Amino acid sequence: AQSVAQPEDQVNVAEGNPLTVKCTYSVSGNPYLFWYVQYPNRGLQFLLKYITGDNLVKGSYGFEAEFNKSQTSFHLKKPSALVSDSALYFCAVRDINSGNTPLVFGKGTRLSVIA
Amino acid sequence: GAVVSQHPSRVICKSGTSVKIECRSLDFQATTMFWYRQFPKQSLMLMATSNEGSKATYEQGVEKDKFLINHASLTLSTLTVTSAHPEDSSFYICSAQNPGGGRFFGEGSRLTVL
Repeated sequence: AQSVAQPEDQVNVAEGNPLTVKCTYSVSGNPYLFWYVQYPNRGLQFLLKYITGDNLVKGSYGFEAEFNKSQTSFHLKKPSALVSDSALYFCAVRDINSGNTPLVFGKGTRLSVIA
Repeated sequence: GAVVSQHPSRVICKSGTSVKIECRSLDFQATTMFWYRQFPKQSLMLMATSNEGSKATYEQGVEKDKFLINHASLTLSTLTVTSAHPEDSSFYICSAQNPGGGRFFGEGSRLTVL
């Protein structure tokens, strides 16, 4: 079974400071990992994904995430937060070899960037 | 990039009526589509997996007779909430898979049942 844990319901950070949104996962095989962002009453916007290769993945809007196999983590990071980054962030996973199985999402972390 | 369109984005209906939500992949063929439901301040919960030309596979606890899913073409899947009740009020999001395995999400449909 696949699962994703986002341990923080809410993350608050001052504008200009670095931000981290945590995610750990569990899959039986190799993971296919994603981060999505959701603004109020909107669908999900893709930020970045990890399949294989470099552990540090760079994505949209200056976000990046680091895949750590030993810690089964895929934390989302940004060096300097913007107020416009305030939104709901979801980490998702599926097994690379699982074919058409759906993504499994974490519960989401609400990021609030304060000016 | 790949675009998935959901319609309507918002719908308000009376209790007991049925509502249809459409999910279209605009620039690719989607053999598989997924329907999710999102309650306020909660994560996306998978409702069903829809494969073109076959019956949808529903997740445990999802009533297939209440949430009718049709995937009649490679670019369109529909979710019909039958005999809607206030507890069906939610945000419904579809996801379409392209031939390369990429997953793309619609903008969501907010259903309010009065």
